[in-house]
Amino acid sequence: NAGVMQNPRHLVRRRGQEARLRCSPMKGHSHVYWYRQLPEEGLKFMVYLQKENIIDESGMPKERFSAEFPKEGPSILRIQQVVRGDSAAYFCASSRGTANIQYFGAGTRLSVL
Amino acid sequence: GDSVTQMEGPVTLSEEAFLTINCTYTATGYPSLFWYVQYPGEGLQLLLKATKADDKGSNKGFEATYRKETTSFHLEKGSVQVSDSAVYFCALSDPTNTGNQFYFGTGTSLTVIP
Repeated sequence: NAGVMQNPRHLVRRRGQEARLRCSPMKGHSHVYWYRQLPEEGLKFMVYLQKENIIDESGMPKERFSAEFPKEGPSILRIQQVVRGDSAAYFCASSRGTANIQYFGAGTRLSVL
Repeated sequence: GDSVTQMEGPVTLSEEAFLTINCTYTATGYPSLFWYVQYPGEGLQLLLKATKADDKGSNKGFEATYRKETTSFHLEKGSVQVSDSAVYFCALSDPTNTGNQFYFGTGTSLTVIP
């Protein structure tokens, strides 16, 4: 019973490049959440998605960041034109429904040079 | 709005010492409360949870009691081990929040020395 799978585990990008982070939820889970953890800080909510729908993106930066959860395939968090301040650990979580426990992946650590 | 305030770290304890990590919360509804643990280089793992007032969550020797009157969910363990060294996050989930997001504290780093 695989847990939440995130890849890549580590991603290095130069300023101005694009970063694509992938998340496959646990089997049977249709709700996906993305969080960002800056160094020495807690996790901050970014976006909550269900299949083909963005439910809440109140934590997403207004520019350069987007997320999707297509009918088939993993959820993707996309960061365009990365800057050094985007360097962080990005965690994905999934749940079976609302008001359910969220299970977290191991995260993608993005480093922007 | 909803928020979690967690005891600042880092915390360093000797093996077999008693551990308390304080956590208080603010919520508009009736939240569920959680403690997650993050080992170095890994993601968050659910340690324990409580879904209503006076519930006690427990796992691996850790305990936390949901105290509505003090809006607290302090984590305790009677005798820590070196393997408990990790970062501990307190979190809440408010079912009245349509976003269903979790609100996390800033984390408390625990180091247990032999």
